[in-house]
Amino acid sequence: NAGVMQNPRHLVRRRGQEARLRCSPMKGHSHVYWYRQLPEEGLKFMVYLQKENIIDESGMPKERFSAEFPKEGPSILRIQQVVRGDSAAYFCASSPLAGGEAFFGQGTRLTVV
Amino acid sequence: QKEVEQDPGPLSVPEGAIVSLNCTYSNSAFQYFMWYRQYSRKGPELLMYTYSSGNKEDGRFTAQVDKSSKYISLFIRDSQPSDSATYLCAMSAEGTYKYIFGTGTRLKVLA
Repeated sequence: NAGVMQNPRHLVRRRGQEARLRCSPMKGHSHVYWYRQLPEEGLKFMVYLQKENIIDESGMPKERFSAEFPKEGPSILRIQQVVRGDSAAYFCASSPLAGGEAFFGQGTRLTVV
Repeated sequence: QKEVEQDPGPLSVPEGAIVSLNCTYSNSAFQYFMWYRQYSRKGPELLMYTYSSGNKEDGRFTAQVDKSSKYISLFIRDSQPSDSATYLCAMSAEGTYKYIFGTGTRLKVLA
């Protein structure tokens, strides 16, 4: 049973470009969470999604950031017009139940140059 | 004041020692408590998941929750060099689905 799969593992973007981060949850999990981690800091909640629905996006900046979890395919976190401050590790987690045990992927490390 | 406080360490212990890691929190609504281990440049790995107060044991790991004191602990028995990592506590309230994380404690187990 594969764990949470994230790709790419590393992503380099120039300022102003778009970044698309993908997350495939564990089999049987319909709840997906995105977190951002800056160096020496804990994980900060960004958004919680169920299939085709955004449940809580209170941690996601209103500008330039969006997330989706379509009926088919992985969850996508999209960052438009990236800036240097977006450089961070972005982690996706999934759980079988809302608020249940959450299992994390290996993350995508975004570097904006 | 942060919702979840965790001493960043680093904490250095000799191999075989009992390690105690702790978090305090301010939100009395938290009901779900988790401990994660994160190796450098890797994703967090779930170690323990507990609901409400009490103890839970899994192998060398014991998690304790004291809701009256708003204090949770993770004990590691017979610590090994392979336990060297950052340990993150996380918690969430009933009916909400975001986990609030501590900043992590760096642990180094010396051979």
